[in-house]
Amino acid sequence: QKEVEQNSGPLSVPEGAIASLNCTYSDRVSQSFFWYRQYSGKSPELIMSIYSNGDKEDGRFTAQLNKASQYVSLLIRDSQPSDSATYLCAVNFSSGNTPLVFGKGTRLSVIA
Amino acid sequence: DTAVSQTPKYLVTQMGNDKSIKCEQNLGHDTMYWYKQDSKKFLKIMFSYNNKELIINETVPNRFSPKSPDKAHLNLHINSLELGDSAVYFCASSQGGMARGSNYGYTFGSGTRLTVV
Repeated sequence: QKEVEQNSGPLSVPEGAIASLNCTYSDRVSQSFFWYRQYSGKSPELIMSIYSNGDKEDGRFTAQLNKASQYVSLLIRDSQPSDSATYLCAVNFSSGNTPLVFGKGTRLSVIA
Repeated sequence: DTAVSQTPKYLVTQMGNDKSIKCEQNLGHDTMYWYKQDSKKFLKIMFSYNNKELIINETVPNRFSPKSPDKAHLNLHINSLELGDSAVYFCASSQGGMARGSNYGYTFGSGTRLTVV
């Protein structure tokens, strides 16, 4: 069974702080990892992808991947109230042709 | 221009009815998907489809069936609707087949909120 686990939250951080979102997955051979942001009533939108161990930075977002620990995280620096959303972790379990498997999401609330 | 469009955006219907949701993508992608998102925001794959292969999640009741007239369209037909079918249904697309496409992430449509009464 391919599973992606996330803490459902809510995670509350003050404006300007660093928000840290975590995700674990069940299959060590997984190859690609994604973070999607979903505002209430809207569709998921891709904000970060990561394929190799280490950090990947894009603006205020940093994705971190540790394949040995089967762990991927998303850091949001200088959090803004507009970052308040549900963040979905998605994994490509690459054993054949399989679609992305999503976690249940972490709800982030940035308090002004 | 809308990349992945779904219609209708809202659908309210009675139990036992048959309904369809349409999805079209203008990205030139070759793989399309249907996901169901329940009230707890859990996105669960229902179908994956490209020109060569249909993958059905075994937990999806056979009342649900995908229909693809061409690679830009993947419609979802639902027979004998039940209360538990109420959810938001998202269509998505990607390029390069299900495995490679999964390496580049998906583009989602705006969703169809289905309410069965």
